[in-house]
Amino acid sequence: DSGVTQTPKHLITATGQRVTLRCSPRSGDLSVYWYQQSLDQGLQFLIQYYNGEERAKGNILERFSAQQFPDLHSELNLSSLELGDSALYFCASSAGLNIQYFGAGTRLSVL
Amino acid sequence: GIQVEQSPPDLILQEGANSTLRCNFSDSVNNLQWFHQNPWGQLINLFYIPSGTKQNGRLSATTVATERYSLLYISSSQTTDSGVYFCAAVEGGNNRLAFGKGNQVVVIP
Repeated sequence: DSGVTQTPKHLITATGQRVTLRCSPRSGDLSVYWYQQSLDQGLQFLIQYYNGEERAKGNILERFSAQQFPDLHSELNLSSLELGDSALYFCASSAGLNIQYFGAGTRLSVL
Repeated sequence: GIQVEQSPPDLILQEGANSTLRCNFSDSVNNLQWFHQNPWGQLINLFYIPSGTKQNGRLSATTVATERYSLLYISSSQTTDSGVYFCAAVEGGNNRLAFGKGNQVVVIP
């Protein structure tokens, strides 16, 4: 168990809908990262938060947004969903600039 | 950004065999991690190894930072070693991981 908790494990929704993925980092970790794993793009970095502030952005679509709350949990919001958004979404956390621990992922299926 | 290349892309092993997976990266790294993605999709941390050599049971890893590569050794492979192995690297002052495409390993009994 990595100590990073992601909910839900699976999500099935329809095109055009909006969903929220939740992540609780390891105790004491201030940094949270979101990654997307799809068949065509592989594993890619989306966005990073550090202690409530956005720290770095990767290949994140404008339809996607994230935030980190005062209790350090994070949410990734995906809106106007398309078939191509179907993927495994991972959250990771770290204490500073070192090893990242990954959650079990949320598998999103857009039908 | 940093490019990460893994080889071989696919590997079939007989149970008990040894293997070496390679990861090449295009620039100096501050962080390098190896992961195992099991059939259920979970990414399991294997090693945090920006340089040097580490061992954990039947697995070991070596990173030669000056030559920009890392190796993951699997000895006496077991069927539970099947899955995809990912190498991921970080460059510069951020901590965003850039992943390779993975090594798909199948261990047959």
